[in-house]
Amino acid sequence: ETGVTQTPRHLVMGMTNKKSLKCEQHLGHNAMYWYKQSAKKPLELMFVYSLEERVENNSVPSRFSPECPNSSHLFLHLHTLQPEDSALYLCASSPSTGGARAFFGQGTRLTVV
Amino acid sequence: DQQVKQNSPSLSVQEGRISILNCDYTNSMFDYFLWYKKYPAEGPTFLISISSIKDKNEDGRFTVFLNKSAKHLSLHIVPSQPGDSAVYFCAAISNAGGTSYGKLTFGQGTILTVHP
Repeated sequence: ETGVTQTPRHLVMGMTNKKSLKCEQHLGHNAMYWYKQSAKKPLELMFVYSLEERVENNSVPSRFSPECPNSSHLFLHLHTLQPEDSALYLCASSPSTGGARAFFGQGTRLTVV
Repeated sequence: DQQVKQNSPSLSVQEGRISILNCDYTNSMFDYFLWYKKYPAEGPTFLISISSIKDKNEDGRFTVFLNKSAKHLSLHIVPSQPGDSAVYFCAAISNAGGTSYGKLTFGQGTILTVHP
């Protein structure tokens, strides 16, 4: 238990569906992240929120839309995804100081059919 | 261009022996390095880290070595135990940007299997 909780753990969605991934942390951290892990590839940073403002968007397609309503919650809204978007999506949080280690959630295993 | 590389996809070790996992990086701005461990169906969990001002950091059975001139770090586990079987990720970060958050760059991971 790292203090970062993701729901759902597994998600199967069609290419025309709209779904959302949820992440919650009560560690008092000010930064939250979305990472993507595809098979045999490194974890790829998608988005970074610091103090509830998006500070990084690593060339992620617009079919992925993040939302950070407060410092404890982070969402990833999904729409019109492609099969190649199937991956493990990991949320993480960290204190506001750079270099601090990130705490990861268990991830959401997403399958797009 | 992959800035952090773990060139060994897998490693198999006998219980009680030493496990050595390697990681290379190309970005000379990286000044803090971390190792994460990941079990199936779980998120990565922090294992050990090292700052670029050091060349060694030890925590129980785990030791990380940093060779800045070679841009290489390694994780030593001794003695290895079956419960150490997992995927190990190397990660790096640059604090030089002065940002208020941590932006980690990860390697591909190495699958460690420790046989009883």
